Amino acid sequence: DIQMTQSPSTLSASVGDRVTITCRASQSISIWLAWYQQKPGKAPKLLIYKASNLESGVPSRFSGSGSGTEFTLTISSLQPEDFATYYCQQHLGPLVFGQGTRLEIK
Amino acid sequence: EVQLLESGGGLVQPGGSLRLSCAASGFTFDTYAMTWVRQAPGEGLEWVSSISISGDNTFYADSVKGRFTISRDNSKSTLYLQMNSLRAEDTAVYYCAKDKEGVRADYFDSWGQGTLVIVSS
Repeated sequence: DIQMTQSPSTLSASVGDRVTITCRASQSISIWLAWYQQKPGKAPKLLIYKASNLESGVPSRFSGSGSGTEFTLTISSLQPEDFATYYCQQHLGPLVFGQGTRLEIK
Repeated sequence: EVQLLESGGGLVQPGGSLRLSCAASGFTFDTYAMTWVRQAPGEGLEWVSSISISGDNTFYADSVKGRFTISRDNSKSTLYLQMNSLRAEDTAVYYCAKDKEGVRADYFDSWGQGTLVIVSS
């Protein structure tokens, strides 16, 4: 199975910061990558699909890029509601999620 | 508005069985593949199983293959997960999720609130 590795595991940042989360695949997955946001006690929310497509209703400060084995999720200017855990998920073959990146307030 | 409502979770002894249901509304259920994803307490997300639109094709994570069975009743807009031979490591919140594209594109734009399964003696 294709493994997904996210980094960092925890990220401390302040409101207004630009942050980037990286997800690496153990082999090429082309553009078949999604990003989700999850807040405590809530279900995940789709942010990005096919590596760079913004889900409807998701603020434009979120963006995704990459292809092959390396992908990034960028939040251009952190808002208070963005502090959450973020997961990447490859959607090529057996589905695999990254281990998550917890974005916390500095 | 899309709604997915899971039910059927609870406390079960190791080796026992449980059947989860996910009642769907707000979209044409029989035109979307569906999936179960679980999350152990304090842990990340783990894909469990997916099913095609018709129900003819099913897919399982190795960790549950042979023990869990996914099915759907399109006439009732309901997704199921039959879980047998449960183990402590199956303890998790189980989410049902709707495929964004219809056919099995395997990314999910709607999720239920989850149902908690605890496997313990």
